[in-house]
Amino acid sequence: KAGVTQTPRYLIKTRGQQVTLSCSPISGHRSVSWYQQTPGQGLQFLFEYFSETQRNKGNFPGRFSGRQFSNSRSEMNVSTLELGDSALYLCASSLAGDYEQYFGPGTRLTVT
Amino acid sequence: GESVGLHLPTLSVQEGDNSIINCAYSNSASDYFIWYKQESGKGPQFIIDIRSNMDKRQGQRVTVLLNKTVKHLSLQIAATQPGDSAVYFCAENNYSGTYKYIFGTGTRLKVLA
Repeated sequence: KAGVTQTPRYLIKTRGQQVTLSCSPISGHRSVSWYQQTPGQGLQFLFEYFSETQRNKGNFPGRFSGRQFSNSRSEMNVSTLELGDSALYLCASSLAGDYEQYFGPGTRLTVT
Repeated sequence: GESVGLHLPTLSVQEGDNSIINCAYSNSASDYFIWYKQESGKGPQFIIDIRSNMDKRQGQRVTVLLNKTVKHLSLQIAATQPGDSAVYFCAENNYSGTYKYIFGTGTRLKVLA
């Protein structure tokens, strides 16, 4: 069974731009969660989608948004990028909210 | 002001010895826990999980112990190998209307040859 895939793996953007990251969950998994990982803050929860609905949200500004499609693939968008948005963005999928959660390799975003 | 990077606790272990990595979790109502391993430049890798109706679970070379009384989780790695060098995170699954994972800050394991 293929694992969680994320594209692109690396991205360089400038301040003020926007970015869209993509995540394909493990086949059959309906829950997709997004996390931001930085050396300063560790792993922080962004949001979770289940069956195309945002079910849970972390404490991030409205510039961070996401969506999930009917095939469970998910995208997250960050608008008006700031230098502090430079991070590893991780996507994780699970069958449901309280099952094993598997991570993708992440997208390394650098904002200059 | 400038943020300070997380200072990860580091555990240095001789190759072949057993490693014990500890984690304190926050919510006594959490009922599901996962240990992850993260190598440099990669996403966290699922190692082993445990539900709150158990206090011990064993995998291949790994054992997770759960002490609900003191909200403590530990990961034991038997016969530690150089490939075990990584950062290890515990995650608790917390239900407050919906399920959400909360992650610990992590412990860096260094295996000495």
